Formats: sequence, C-alpha cells, structure tokens
Amino acid sequence: EPEVTQTPSHQVTQMGQEVILRCVPISNHLYFYWYRQILGQKVEFLVSFYNNEISEKSEIFDDQFSVERPDGSNFTLKIRSTKLEDSAMYFCASSVTDGTVTGYTFGSGTRLTVV
Amino acid sequence: TQLLEQSPQFLSIQEGENLTVYCNSSSVFSSLQWYRQEPGEGPVLLVTVVTGGEVKKLKRLTFQFGDARKDSSLHITAAQPGDTGLYLCAGDEYGGSQGNLIFGKGTKLSVKP
Repeated sequence: EPEVTQTPSHQVTQMGQEVILRCVPISNHLYFYWYRQILGQKVEFLVSFYNNEISEKSEIFDDQFSVERPDGSNFTLKIRSTKLEDSAMYFCASSVTDGTVTGYTFGSGTRLTVV
Repeated sequence: TQLLEQSPQFLSIQEGENLTVYCNSSSVFSSLQWYRQEPGEGPVLLVTVVTGGEVKKLKRLTFQFGDARKDSSLHITAAQPGDTGLYLCAGDEYGGSQGNLIFGKGTKLSVKP
C-alpha cells in the first residue's frame, strides 16, 4: 500500500538552529499538509499546500515556518530558528483530492527535539 | 475555533465486550474522520463520514455521523486485544482542500485477553 515517507525519524537540534523536515507524499496525491503533535497533546494543523502554494495555515505557522515542494516528489517543512517549544512530532500528510471525502494519509512522523 | 470532545478518555475492557466511543462538538463539520494511532506513529485513517445520519461498518467497527453533523460515534463489537490503541476523531472544519482538520484528544482503548 502506498505510504507517505518522512525523514529523518528523529532529529535533535540546538535552540536557534534551522531544521528541515522532509516528506515524500504518495505519488499521485495533489494536496499536502503538515501537522504537529506535542507530547501528550492533540494533533494540530500547521499548513496545507496545493498547486505550489499555501492553501491555509494555522496561527502556529508563523514566520519561523516555511514549506516548499522543491521537486516533483519532496515536500519540506523548514523551521528557521528553533525554539524549545517546537519540540514535537511533526506529521506530513497527503490526499489525492479533497481530503474531506477521501481522508488523509499520514506519514510516521519526525520527532524533533530542541535542546 | 471548533473543538471536538472525545469520551471516554481511557477505556479498559475485557476481550469480547462491546464499547462505544463518542466525539462531540457544538459546531457543524463538513465531515468526520476516525483514525487509529499507535505510539510513535502517525494516525491511520479508519473511515470518513460525510452525510448526516450516515452509518459505515468496517468489520466489527460501526461508525455513525450525527444527523446534525456535530457528533459521531465508534462502536466496536466483541473487542479483541488487537483493537488496543488510541482512537482519534477529526473534523474537517471548512471542507475543500484546506485540510484544516480539528482533532480530538483521543480515546485510549485497552482490551485485555
């Protein structure tokens, strides 16, 4: 069954450093998303991306965050200057079309630890 | 911001018992999705319900979307230890391609043999 692949699975970084989280969505999917889950808390929406631009973003997705689809297969989330509170599991998701009806396929996540 | 309240938060039952998990909101959703999440993994989609009053069955799992599209339930018949896990409901706040899913906190189910 097709999967959403995320790398790395774990990332430890020092506060203030830049990190790039990588995702390879399912090949025929057109809509891409990033979510995060702080330990013990709810999964939270960060951003959605379609047709090479951001469709919607949450309040969490401030100027420190950016997304990019640098080629036909990768979808990245960059955090420019990490803070301790950015420590969380970051999940990439994709959907072939309107995820309202089809649902979303999530990757296994990247555990980001900021020290 | 719409909120989804899930209950119960924790549920521990014996193999063979039936159970129901509830997901409630005061707001209307375009759709409701149920996911299962294992520790250290991403949510895995179980079902999407779109129409008010809709009922979907997935083997021993029955999902229902409330008539007013504000609530949903997951019923498991004859639970098995393999059903153990975290069950999440998630509502699509606006519909369309925005993907702004609102997640509940989840119900942690433990089924003992």
